[in-house]
Amino acid sequence: QKEVEQNSGPLSVPEGAIASLNCTYSDRVSQSFFWYRQYSGKSPELIMSIYSNGDKEDGRFTAQLNKASQYVSLLIRDSQPSDSATYLCAVSRTNAGKSTFGDGTTLTVKP
Amino acid sequence: EPEVTQTPSHQVTQMGQEVILRCVPISNHLYFYWYRQILGQKVEFLVSFYNNEISEKSEIFDDQFSVERPDGSNFTLKIRSTKLEDSAMYFCASNRRGNTGELFFGEGSRLTVL
Repeated sequence: QKEVEQNSGPLSVPEGAIASLNCTYSDRVSQSFFWYRQYSGKSPELIMSIYSNGDKEDGRFTAQLNKASQYVSLLIRDSQPSDSATYLCAVSRTNAGKSTFGDGTTLTVKP
Repeated sequence: EPEVTQTPSHQVTQMGQEVILRCVPISNHLYFYWYRQILGQKVEFLVSFYNNEISEKSEIFDDQFSVERPDGSNFTLKIRSTKLEDSAMYFCASNRRGNTGELFFGEGSRLTVL
């Protein structure tokens, strides 16, 4: 079983739609959860962090965490072509420890 | 906005040669990391560094790898004798004061071993 598993892509949505990205993790003691965006050939860029169960909203992005189900998701509302990228889910046991990344889900937003 | 800077952006080397990748983390950050990403694969943790010593390392980070912070600003990754399978993008990252766990990545150094 992979430590961090993301829904297989690629995912394609029309402009203006909601994109839903999912992630499950195997380590029950994980405390910190992150979503990074990675454009092709570029480095990962943090877009959301979440530490407690529930929803966290930041602009068009909403992260959801359910520790009981070991599940993290990212919703992107009003998707734009500029959102086309690979989205990486990352999980950490502590706030300063290593982050373990999933394979990523590639999102394409079609105009 | 402060950023993590890495040099070189691309290095080509012969198998068996030593390589040093350099990073300048964000100045008020306390934790420093090296990750790598082989083309088409996921981002993998190599090592974390805090208070001038390694705090954690992965199985990938074997005796061929070393890190140091020689002058209080630079953070280096040395690969002593490169192998073909070391070809990858190497990312330096740092973690802000307060230990939020959020990683700020540099642009990466692409290493090609021939």
